[in-house]
Parts: sequence; structure tokens; C-alpha cells
Amino acid sequence: ETGVTQSPTHLIKTRGQQVTLRCSSQSGHNTVSWYQQALGQGPQFIFQYYREEENGRGNFPPRFSGLQFPNYSSELNVNALELDDSALYLCASSRGQGRYEQYFGPGTRLTVT
Amino acid sequence: QQQVKQSPQSLIVQKGGISIINCAYENTAFDYFPWYQQFPGKGPALLIAIRPDVSEKKEGRFTISFNKSAKQFSLHIMDSQPGDSATYFCASYGGATNKLIFGTGTLLAVQP
Repeated sequence: ETGVTQSPTHLIKTRGQQVTLRCSSQSGHNTVSWYQQALGQGPQFIFQYYREEENGRGNFPPRFSGLQFPNYSSELNVNALELDDSALYLCASSRGQGRYEQYFGPGTRLTVT
Repeated sequence: QQQVKQSPQSLIVQKGGISIINCAYENTAFDYFPWYQQFPGKGPALLIAIRPDVSEKKEGRFTISFNKSAKQFSLHIMDSQPGDSATYFCASYGGATNKLIFGTGTLLAVQP
């Protein structure tokens, strides 16, 4: 069983640019959630995708957007990058949108300069 | 009502000892409580989880104790090993938001 994978591992962007992060869910999982983890803090929920639709959103501005594809993989897009967007971005997959165990990928470390 | 408070912030335990990390939640709609272990540079790994219909769950050296009336739950690591040194996060899930709410983390160091 393949685990959750994310790409790229690391990324450096300039303020104002746009970035796309990718996630492949674990085999058999149809739900993907994205989290932002700042240094020394717990992960903060950005949004969740279930059956290709956004299915819950945290306190993040609209410049954070996402997609889920028919194979359940997902993208996180961030426009107009700000310095405070520098963080570890985590993707987690689960068997459904309810109270199922969420399994995390290794994350993408984004640095905005 | 969406917070999960975790303590202590850091913990030092001798090899073979018991590590105890505590969490408290506010929202009574929460009904799923997982614990995650995170090593530097890695994503969080699910350790153990509990639902409020039981007061305790044990898996190997890891035990969750749950007190529904006090809205508190804790992680106990028995026979702590240096390889357990990591950051531990509690989390809560429930309500209509489909999101896990994480605590602030506990940095555990197990000394040989």
C-alpha cells in the first residue's frame, strides 16, 4: 500500500509569486485535507476535498485554493505569496470525509523571500 | 470553542520511564481524538486515536486516557525509549467543519 506522497520537497519563492503544491493520496483514500504548519506550531487546517469538491475550509484567505482530480490526487495553489506563507505544507488523506483516520505525507517546505 | 490546549510544552524523561502528555478541549461536539508523532523534517504520523464511547485505549506502549466529563484526554508512553524522542500533537475532530484541530505540541526528549 503506497503512502501519501507530496511534491516538491522544498520550494523557494519570492513575495508576490504563485505556487502549486501537489499531493497523491494513499491507495483506497478518496479524501484529501491540506494543512499549514508554521515552525514550532501545530498544523492548521486549510481545506478538505472530497469527490473533487471543497468540503470544509479553515481561516485562510481566498488566495489559498485547491483542486482534487478524479484519481483523488490534489493540488494546493497559493497566489500573491506573502512572507508569512513560509511554512511546511502538509497533505493528509483519509477513507472518507467523516471521522476517519488521516494519514499525512512528508510535507513541502515553502520559503518565501 | 475551537481550541485544543496541550501541556507540557516540553518534557524530559529517563529511559524506561513513563511520559505523560495532556490535552483539553472545549467543544462538546468533538468526537474523535487522535495523537500524532512528528520527527524533525517529517510529516505527523498517526499513533493512536480514541472515540468518546470508551475511557481508555491501549496499543503497545501507548495508552490514551479519556475523561469526557472533564473534556480532557492524555497520552501515556510506557517504558519510554530514546527513539520516542519527537514532538507529539493531540488533535480533536467533530462538528460540521471536517477539520482536525491540533494542539500546540509537546517536545519529548528521552534520555538514555
